[in-house]
Amino acid sequence: DAKTTQPNSMESNEEEPVHLPCNHSTISGTDYIHWYRQLPSQGPEYVIHGLTSNVNNRMASLAIAEDRKSSTLILHRATLRDAAVYYCILRADWKENNDMRFGAGTRLTVKP
Amino acid sequence: AAGVIQSPRHLIKEKRETATLKCYPIPRHDTVYWYQQGPGQDPQFLISFYEKMQSDKGSIPDRFSAQQFSDYHSELNMSSLELGDSALYFCASSLLSLANYGYTFGSGTRLTVV
Repeated sequence: DAKTTQPNSMESNEEEPVHLPCNHSTISGTDYIHWYRQLPSQGPEYVIHGLTSNVNNRMASLAIAEDRKSSTLILHRATLRDAAVYYCILRADWKENNDMRFGAGTRLTVKP
Repeated sequence: AAGVIQSPRHLIKEKRETATLKCYPIPRHDTVYWYQQGPGQDPQFLISFYEKMQSDKGSIPDRFSAQQFSDYHSELNMSSLELGDSALYFCASSLLSLANYGYTFGSGTRLTVV
């Protein structure tokens, strides 16, 4: 299975943009890039996903490199409530045993 | 909007006892997933069901079993509990198990084995 690599931790200041990187050099053509986050003492929460094109939603933006070997989750204005562990996960489409496996995510700290 | 409902929220059991965790997916979601998260660890995938059939299997111990019922709710049965089974157990649901759909997670059941 294609794996992802994320920094262990990142810090940001409140109301500044945050760029969370993810490397996935062994990604295949049918792999979707998913991002989830987990706030303290809560279940994981879906953030965004994409295949090839950049994606925007009310929570964040996803920038996907042209060769798809990396992607970046962008929080446009970090708030204290964005402090969480962020997970970048690949899911293969039309493949057996493709349910989501969490790896080691990035712990984001937001400073006031 | 309706979310994924898990019960109970907290459960305390003794070693070698059994436990049953329940998960009620979002209405019309046909796929259910179970995850285990130990203290300070990332969630680990256990098992999933699509249309009441087992879909995928992860690191689920043989002492655990699960099923999805006709109303799409799911139950995780855990027997011969061990201290190491103490963890947060999350259930998630989605519409279809395709990679282009996101998961919605419940708030979890905290199991403590003493």
